[in-house]
Amino acid sequence: AQKITQTQPGMFVQEKEAVTLDCTYDTSDPSYGLFWYKQPSSGEMIFLIYQGSYDQQNATEGRYSLNFQKARKSANLVISASQLGDSAMYFCAMWNTGNQFYFGTGTSLTVIP
Amino acid sequence: GAGVSQSPSNKVTEKGKDVELRCDPISGHTALYWYRQSLGQGLEFLIYFQGNSAPDKSGLPSDRFSAERTGGSVSTLTIQRTQQEDSAVYLCASSYTMSMQGDTQYFGPGTRLTVL
Repeated sequence: AQKITQTQPGMFVQEKEAVTLDCTYDTSDPSYGLFWYKQPSSGEMIFLIYQGSYDQQNATEGRYSLNFQKARKSANLVISASQLGDSAMYFCAMWNTGNQFYFGTGTSLTVIP
Repeated sequence: GAGVSQSPSNKVTEKGKDVELRCDPISGHTALYWYRQSLGQGLEFLIYFQGNSAPDKSGLPSDRFSAERTGGSVSTLTIQRTQQEDSAVYLCASSYTMSMQGDTQYFGPGTRLTVL
């Protein structure tokens, strides 16, 4: 069963605009963590943001925020004021108490000047 | 350097040969993770270590794959009798504690394995 679903294989955004990357997850575990990672063309995986299932507020890290809707099981990443350097693959991931770490198939974001 | 290091960066091998991939985590990180990323795909979680212990090996693709960690530091992922479908980038990551608590996983640059 697919645990993480990213339905947008590719996205385009104008520089300085905001963009939302979708992520839905599937777990029956009440305790879990949600993550977003960025993978530029150079290949390294860069941690962006974390949201715990019991966190009451949406996580924010600079220009990144996570729109956590627990009832819908969604954890969308919002990037504000897009920059050219934001062009990359973005992966949503989940860790649960089964100690398994699931990644989505990723969304390729292209920022247009 | 203070980051996660992996060696070799590239490995080309012939089908049927054994390969050993090495991961050197960030000093002091107790948790270590191995992933596989096939071309154009997301990451496939293989195994994690908490200290030297790997509680769950069910993510390993087959019994040709094994991993160990000694001294709570360096880890090796061994693939025996390699097959062409093993070709992928193998990524290692480490974190201070288990990521369930939200500790950031820091990734290494990966080992690109090509099986001819």
